[in-house]
Amino acid sequence: AQSVTQLDSQVPVFEEAPVELRCNYSSSVSVYLFWYVQYPNQGLQLLLKYLSGSTLVKVINGFEAEFNKSQTSFHLRKPSVHISDTAEYFCAVNPNFNKFYFGSGTKLNVKP
Amino acid sequence: KAGVTQTPRYLIKTRGQQVTLSCSPISGHRSVSWYQQTPGQGLQFLFEYFSETQRNKGNFPGRFSGRQFSNSRSEMNVSTLELGDSALYLCASSFRGPVPRYNEQFFGPGTRLTVL
Repeated sequence: AQSVTQLDSQVPVFEEAPVELRCNYSSSVSVYLFWYVQYPNQGLQLLLKYLSGSTLVKVINGFEAEFNKSQTSFHLRKPSVHISDTAEYFCAVNPNFNKFYFGSGTKLNVKP
Repeated sequence: KAGVTQTPRYLIKTRGQQVTLSCSPISGHRSVSWYQQTPGQGLQFLFEYFSETQRNKGNFPGRFSGRQFSNSRSEMNVSTLELGDSALYLCASSFRGPVPRYNEQFFGPGTRLTVL
């Protein structure tokens, strides 16, 4: 069975501080991993994804995530957060082209 | 390319009524998935339609149903509404294929359903 665990439901952090949002998954098959972000009253937007290749995935807005197969994790990190990063973040797995499984979400609250 | 669109954006219904929500996928996408999002349960998968056929189904009662048309547009229907059906209903589309990047899901803005 597949499942996704986001251990932290809320993460408060001060602006310009680093942050890590944790995601662990369980799957008996190969998976593709995603992080989505949801701003208030909006749908989910893809933040980054791991499909294959380098296990460290970086995107232009400073977020990065590392796929760790042995620990079945895909933690999201940013070295310096901004107020505008305040949102809810969802980790998702897509095993073998089947349906997506989402974590319960982590609310990132960036304080000035 | 236009994104995923959902109509209506907001809906207020009373218990016992039924409701139909609509989703238009990104042009060329053949798969549409529906999710229910609530503060207590998070994001829960309802079902996926691909080529007018339901391919996957979540653990929801039979009051929740859907369909997909030949142009890939999809509708979901909830009959005999209950207070607990109040939620944000999200639709996501993907191309769906044997290559991983084809299965990336693109989400619409959602329909906020309030049941009174």
